[in-house]
Amino acid sequence: NAGVTQTPKFQVLKTGQSMTLQCAQDMNHNSMYWYRQDPGMGLRLIYYSASEGTTDKGEVPNGYNVSRLNKREFSLRLESAAPSQTSVYFCASSVTPGQKREQYFGPGTRLTVT
Amino acid sequence: AQSVTQLDSHVSVSEGTPVLLRCNYSSSYSPSLFWYVQHPNKGLQLLLKYTSAATLVKGINGFEAEFKKSETSFHLTKPSAHMSDAAEYFCVVSEGGARKLIFGAGTRLAVHP
Repeated sequence: NAGVTQTPKFQVLKTGQSMTLQCAQDMNHNSMYWYRQDPGMGLRLIYYSASEGTTDKGEVPNGYNVSRLNKREFSLRLESAAPSQTSVYFCASSVTPGQKREQYFGPGTRLTVT
Repeated sequence: AQSVTQLDSHVSVSEGTPVLLRCNYSSSYSPSLFWYVQHPNKGLQLLLKYTSAATLVKGINGFEAEFKKSETSFHLTKPSAHMSDAAEYFCVVSEGGARKLIFGAGTRLAVHP
């Protein structure tokens, strides 16, 4: 039981390049989330998927797109990377999107855009 | 609107002494509150959660937190710090109907021998 897995662990991009961050969970959770973590700012929600087939914007969606490929997988795409997108990205999942449901986090992807 | 304020960005304690990490929240409804821990270069792990049952919540690794509605606080405590407790701690709020968590900025705990 791996929980939430993310690939890659590290990535360096040049400004304007594109890439996709992959996330998968094996806990049969319905809801999945993408966050970014910047120093002194905690985690901020980029996009989430309450259930398979749905996606919604979070607090900081600009410059990103997502795909809920199936119940297990939720990918985050940067179409044209910018230095402001240098951050650590975390994927998370929860059983349902309810208020009382804790989220389970992956190990993160450290992205640098030069 | 929901918000979370962690009152200390850094806390330093000696091994074997008590730990207190302070968190205040703002919520229009009855919130759920969580504490997560993040060890260096790792993902986040749930320490404990409050979801309107007992106001004193016990978590993993000897941590506990008390929900005080009158003070809008949810402080995290541990009686005796261990070197392995050195990490960053996040206080998190979620309220009725919400589909997302709101994170505080984090408190970095250092534990000295």
